[in-house]
Amino acid sequence: DGGITQSPKYLFRKEGQNVTLSCEQNLNHDAMYWYRQDPGQGLRLIYYSQIVNDFQKGDIAEGYSVSREKKESFPLTVTSAQKNPTAFYLCASRETGDDNSPLHFGNGTRLTVT
Amino acid sequence: GQQVMQIPQYQHVQEGEDFTTYCNSSTTLSNIQWYKQRPGGHPVFLIQLVKSGEVKKQKRLTFQFGEAKKNSSLHITATQTTDVGTYFCAGPRYGNKLVFGAGTILRVKS
Repeated sequence: DGGITQSPKYLFRKEGQNVTLSCEQNLNHDAMYWYRQDPGQGLRLIYYSQIVNDFQKGDIAEGYSVSREKKESFPLTVTSAQKNPTAFYLCASRETGDDNSPLHFGNGTRLTVT
Repeated sequence: GQQVMQIPQYQHVQEGEDFTTYCNSSTTLSNIQWYKQRPGGHPVFLIQLVKSGEVKKQKRLTFQFGEAKKNSSLHITATQTTDVGTYFCAGPRYGNKLVFGAGTILRVKS
């Protein structure tokens, strides 16, 4: 079955620790995205990558970092510099970076930082 | 920057009633996409509209794209409990990014 796998589903961390969220896809999609979802605010774009070894900042990149060393993998690191890291994080991919192709989402990781 | 506004934020309907959510963009869109997120789940693509004035139907769901390509709507006829969730519209922005509306949460009373 082709799809996007995010792990873990729930993640708990202490303030001041960096944490890396995993995102793997076997859809052979070129473009991958990380969104953050907070209640009442929809989905906000953190980082995106249109091709391997290349990525761009989204609207709320501060306090986050990514890498795209392999086509199928796009891990997101939430650093201690992110002021409000507790949120639901969604990884998505699409066939190309083309405007017209739909996004396929993973099941998400719910991060809680205390 | 480009914004996509969505209203209402929340709607609670009796099963069998109709439901509509509206999406408005500050700029003209080349296309608009709609997604549905069930409670506790992830967004799932529903449909894309591309042409000015386009209307598409999926069973009880009707999607419209405005003539000026700056607004869109999703109408559900005779809601069912399976329709509960959050409905998002999304429009493309320069750099191949997709900007999402805040979503409309639909709750259905049976």
